[in-house]
Amino acid sequence: QLHLQESGPGLVKPSETLSLTCTVSGGSISSGSYYWGWLRQPPGKGLEWIGSIFYRGSTYYNPSLKSRVTISVDTSKNQFSLELRSVTAADTAVYYCARLVAVAGHGDGDYFDYWGQGTLVTVSS
Amino acid sequence: QSVLTQPPSASGTPGQRVTISCSGSRSNIGNNYVHWYQQLPGTAPKVLIYQRNQRPSGVPARFSGSKSGSSASLAISGLRSEDEAVYYCATWDDRLSGFWVFGGGTKLTVL
Repeated sequence: QLHLQESGPGLVKPSETLSLTCTVSGGSISSGSYYWGWLRQPPGKGLEWIGSIFYRGSTYYNPSLKSRVTISVDTSKNQFSLELRSVTAADTAVYYCARLVAVAGHGDGDYFDYWGQGTLVTVSS
Repeated sequence: QSVLTQPPSASGTPGQRVTISCSGSRSNIGNNYVHWYQQLPGTAPKVLIYQRNQRPSGVPARFSGSKSGSSASLAISGLRSEDEAVYYCATWDDRLSGFWVFGGGTKLTVL
């Protein structure tokens, strides 16, 4: 059974960088059938896709966050990571990592089938 | 403000059939598959319906999805108390270089 686990600081100061890592167990991150994504959910609000990565390193970002986001992958550790720069209170959210089933590349038809439990990151001084 | 529009709440009694709507535009729902996720309290979302009304193993046939033009719907028949959750629609949006978009979620209450 595939398991994803987010890890990282629960509190980040405004203007600093939020860094999270997702560790994948029970399966290889290097499978060509999947992408790996980050999503977030502000308290009491809906879901927002942040970005996705393929194990070979190709990345895709939400245009609204692209200027502040970097997603990277470490296949030797079966992990992928998120960096979100210059955070503000609006970035306070539960952050999820998830596996994206790739139907034909990254896009229409793909869907998130396994999710981590989520980790709350609060931006506050 | 979400790209896809869902009603904030819906309700029904056990055994009833309930539908949840999701409205978008040609660049998202109109051109692409719609997926539905269920989020039980305090848990991560779980895929309920994907692509053209496909259900992952373990999801009962009481759940079904449909699409017409730039709108989509999730139908739940034979409503059960354990169906009380927040439901999100999601799809790909073709604008710019493409990105995933979600609805704001519909809180379903089983009365």
